[in-house]
Formats: sequence, C-alpha cells, structure tokens
Amino acid sequence: EIVMTQSPATLSVSPGERATLSCRASQSVSSTLAWYQQKPGQAPRLLIYGASTRATNIPARFSGSGSGTEFTLTISSLQSEDFAVYYCQQYNDWPFTFGPGTKVDIK
Amino acid sequence: QVQLQESGPGLVKPSETLSLTCTVSGGSVSSGTYYWSWIRQPPGKGLEWIGYIYYSETTKYNPSLKSRVTISVDTSKNQVSLKLSSVTAADTAVYYCVSSLDYKFDYWGQGTLVSVSS
Repeated sequence: EIVMTQSPATLSVSPGERATLSCRASQSVSSTLAWYQQKPGQAPRLLIYGASTRATNIPARFSGSGSGTEFTLTISSLQSEDFAVYYCQQYNDWPFTFGPGTKVDIK
Repeated sequence: QVQLQESGPGLVKPSETLSLTCTVSGGSVSSGTYYWSWIRQPPGKGLEWIGYIYYSETTKYNPSLKSRVTISVDTSKNQVSLKLSSVTAADTAVYYCVSSLDYKFDYWGQGTLVSVSS
C-alpha cells in the first residue's frame, strides 16, 4: 500500500496570504495525484487532479505541482472560504490512499 | 452532472451487516462511464477508500476490508449498494458514495453517518 503523508498538519495563514501545502508518497505515483478540500460538515470537493489540473469551476488561485513522490498545493491568496482541511490522494495503485490532511486555519 | 444520495440505517449493532444505498441521478450505473466508489471517514479522522464497482460487475476492494465488503448495483433503480459485514465500533463513520470518471473522485454524495453500537 502506498502511504501518503502531508505537512504541516495545521497551517495558520492570514487572509490574502499565500499557503503552501505538501504531500509525499511512499513510492512514486507519477502524476496520479489529486487534492480535495473539505469544510466542516461537508463532503470533500475535488480541486486538482493529475497533480496540476484544476477541476471544473475551481478558482485559478489554486494550483498544484510535483510528480513522483513530492507534491505541492498552493493557494495564492487565501480567501475566507478557503479555510478548510485539504487532502491529497494517489490513484496510481490500489488501494487508493489519502493523506491525513492539512488544516488551514485563520491566523 | 452526477448527483448522489446515500441512505440507510444510522445505527447498526456490532457483528451485524451495515447496508447502504446510493441513489444516482444524472448518470447511469450501468453505462461504464463512471466508477462508483464508497469512501468512509470516521468522526474527526481522515478518508478511507472502501472499493468501487465498474460496468455493473467489475469490483475492486480495499484489502483491509475485502473479506467483509460487497458493492453491487441495481440497474433497474439506478442505485449502488454497500454491504459491510461483521461490523465493530471501528466501522463507525460517515460513508460517502462517490463517482469517478477515472480513478480520482469527481462527485460526492453528502454522506451518511453510521454508528455501530449495541
């Protein structure tokens, strides 16, 4: 099983600032990496797939990069609606696995 | 756009079988366009992929749950079902029905909380 790790566990950011979230895979997943956003009481929402492709209707302030084992999600200028938990997920191999999440909260 | 709605008992007794149904609209469970997955999230914790069904009969399960899981479809009702047997308190979670165009998870239901308790 491919183990996904994320850092930091919590990221405190002021509105308007840039947020950089990291995700690491225990072995190469090529570019088969997705990012999800989850707000309290809601289902996760797909943000990024293929490591860097924004999903439908996702604002341009969200961007993804990386390949192999190291990935980054960047939110260029945090808006109030962006404070949430972010998960990465690999879909290169079964079982599909998620990282433990990074919580982005207000500084 | 696909819409998904989970339903089923909110409380299941230990050792019994958890049964959930996902009603699909905006897509056909038998078309082969989508993979239909179940994903769960224990309260306050992360996400765990349970398994998927594709083309009404091809299934893939998480090895950690494989011996207890069955995912199936009812094409006449356009529904996807999850059965998880021999449940324990560790199976308490929000269960999500999810559709995928490939292996990333595009559309999610709202989720349903299932508690395992006597």
